[in-house]
Amino acid sequence: QVHLQESGPGLVNPSETLSLTCAVSGDSISSRRHYWAWVRQPPGKGLEWIGSLYDSETSYYTPSLRSRLSMSVDSSKNQFSLNLRSVTAADTAVYFCARQGIGEGTGVLDHFDFWGLGTLVTV
Amino acid sequence: QPALTQPASVSGSPGQSITISCTGTSNDIGAYGYNYVSWYQQRPGKAPKLLIYDVSVRPSGVSDRFSGSKSGNTASLTISGLQTEDEGDYYCSSCTASGSHVLFGGGTKLTVL
Repeated sequence: QVHLQESGPGLVNPSETLSLTCAVSGDSISSRRHYWAWVRQPPGKGLEWIGSLYDSETSYYTPSLRSRLSMSVDSSKNQFSLNLRSVTAADTAVYFCARQGIGEGTGVLDHFDFWGLGTLVTV
Repeated sequence: QPALTQPASVSGSPGQSITISCTGTSNDIGAYGYNYVSWYQQRPGKAPKLLIYDVSVRPSGVSDRFSGSKSGNTASLTISGLQTEDEGDYYCSSCTASGSHVLFGGGTKLTVL
């Protein structure tokens, strides 16, 4: 069974950088059979895709956050990370990490099959 | 403003069937040859759970009361034989025609009366 666990500070000051890590067990990030993604959910609102990471060279970000966002992978620790710069109150949300499938024969971003429990980050 | 449009709420009685729609465009749900629509159930305070992927495929362990379909730019999730445990929020998702972005619907709150 695949298990994902988010970790990071629950409180970030405005204008600073939000940094989260997702530890993965039950699958290998370096296997390149899946994408590894971040999704957030502001309090009382819907889900928002943040970005997806395939390896250290291939990542896709939502356009609205691209200028402030970076994602990275640490294969040695089997974990991946999110850094969101210059945060504001609008970035307050529960942040989920998830494993994401790859469209068969197309390579496109597909469904999210395993999710972490989520971690609330307040700005 | 969510890129995919879902009704804010639906309701039904135990045993009934309900359908939740998810409307996008020809650049996502309706993209030619693309069947990358997925549906998630989220209970309060919990992570989303995958119900349906690739329009109509049910992951192992998901009840066959859940089914998905697509016509043009609109995808649908049908829940048959409603149970009180089905209450929660339901989200649709699709990749864009570029294959490199993911969109979510705004979510639909299901109430089982």
